[in-house]
Amino acid sequence: KQEVTQIPAALSVPEGENLVLNCSFTDSAIYNLQWFRQDPGKGLTSLLLIQSSQREQTSGRLNASLDKSSGRSTLYIAASQPGDSATYLCAVTNTGKLIFGQGTTLQVKP
Amino acid sequence: EPEVTQTPSHQVTQMGQEVILRCVPISNHLYFYWYRQILGQKVEFLVSFYNNEISEKSEIFDDQFSVERPDGSNFTLKIRSTKLEDSAMYFCASSFQGIANEKLFFGSGTQLSVL
Repeated sequence: KQEVTQIPAALSVPEGENLVLNCSFTDSAIYNLQWFRQDPGKGLTSLLLIQSSQREQTSGRLNASLDKSSGRSTLYIAASQPGDSATYLCAVTNTGKLIFGQGTTLQVKP
Repeated sequence: EPEVTQTPSHQVTQMGQEVILRCVPISNHLYFYWYRQILGQKVEFLVSFYNNEISEKSEIFDDQFSVERPDGSNFTLKIRSTKLEDSAMYFCASSFQGIANEKLFFGSGTQLSVL
């Protein structure tokens, strides 16, 4: 059974820092991996999608990498801003559904 | 940018009552999903729907749950007799292609409280 784990559960950094969020999964037979952002009481916004054949994807200050063989992904956020404060979720697809991690709650202090 | 719309944003109901959660997916999307998140827990899959039928469902999606696409624009989740443990945020999502090929677009959710 696929399990997705995210470390750390919470992170607090000063504005301007570069940071890395980690995601691991137990079954490497995935179609893709997505990183989502969740603001309190809001829905999920897809940030990046990495197909299983890809190693990384970039969007603006965000870069996500995927190492399928080791069951790991990282989300790198460059030059963090207070507006980046949110919960970040990773999710893998290996059948017809997304399986989510528990998320990392990020606080960026001005 | 097109978005998935969910109504109501909050729903309070008494245990044993029926509720219908409504979603309007993005107009040209073909695949529809329901997920839920119990407070403090992971987002979990409930059901996927394509070509007017359920394509996959989780263990959670028992006989108390049903989904319907009553017309060309709405997608609904019905809980026939709500239980306390059904209290959660319910998210609708849609995609044009299947989940293996593209990202999902999520609505902002319906917070269901069962008293």
